[in-house]
Amino acid sequence: DMKVTQMPRYLIKRMGENVLLECGQDMSHETMYWYRQDPGLGLQLIYISYDVDSNSEGDIPKGYRVSRKKREHFSLILDSAKTNQTSVYFCASSSPTESSYEQYFGPGTRLTVL
Amino acid sequence: QQQVRQSPQSLTVWEGETAILNCSYEDSTFNYFPWYQQFPGEGPALLISIRSVSDKKEDGRFTIFFNKREKKLSLHITDSQPGDSATYFCAASAGGSALGRLHFGAGTQLIVIP
Repeated sequence: DMKVTQMPRYLIKRMGENVLLECGQDMSHETMYWYRQDPGLGLQLIYISYDVDSNSEGDIPKGYRVSRKKREHFSLILDSAKTNQTSVYFCASSSPTESSYEQYFGPGTRLTVL
Repeated sequence: QQQVRQSPQSLTVWEGETAILNCSYEDSTFNYFPWYQQFPGEGPALLISIRSVSDKKEDGRFTIFFNKREKKLSLHITDSQPGDSATYFCAASAGGSALGRLHFGAGTQLIVIP
């Protein structure tokens, strides 16, 4: 059963605190992504990882960093969170060898920064 | 700026009717256009996709019509069912190394009334 998992599902933090969002996948996909979803804006790509320690900025990387030390895990880190980083964060994975180019999404993490 | 635009923002149809969701894009290098379906509380899931070499793609009740000259596409859902009620995102990416870099529209919320 192909699956992308995200932890935690809900998180409340105070402004200035550090935030760690975790993502895992069991499909051995090389490529993983972090998106944020805000009303009226759809999904915006924060970072893309092509494999272990091979990360690239997406469209809105400012204020975020990522870590990928194992192919199945991809972390999103917010150092000193800001209120405008309140959002729903989605992780996704894909494989360049799949002809469908499908991205498989996790269930999301709803982050509130007070 | 939003590179992919969707309309309408919200659409309500009766069960059995055809729902038409519209999408347009700016970047002429885009050549891959997936549509993702998202139910509340879940991550998006690939519904159907088309490449720019085709002008139509059909999968059951779901059909994409693509007009490369006008940079427009539409998703037609025939015989709409209440279970189709969801938010639909049009996305686009260029080929090659940019294939995984999807640009999402803001989404169309579809409500199907029984």
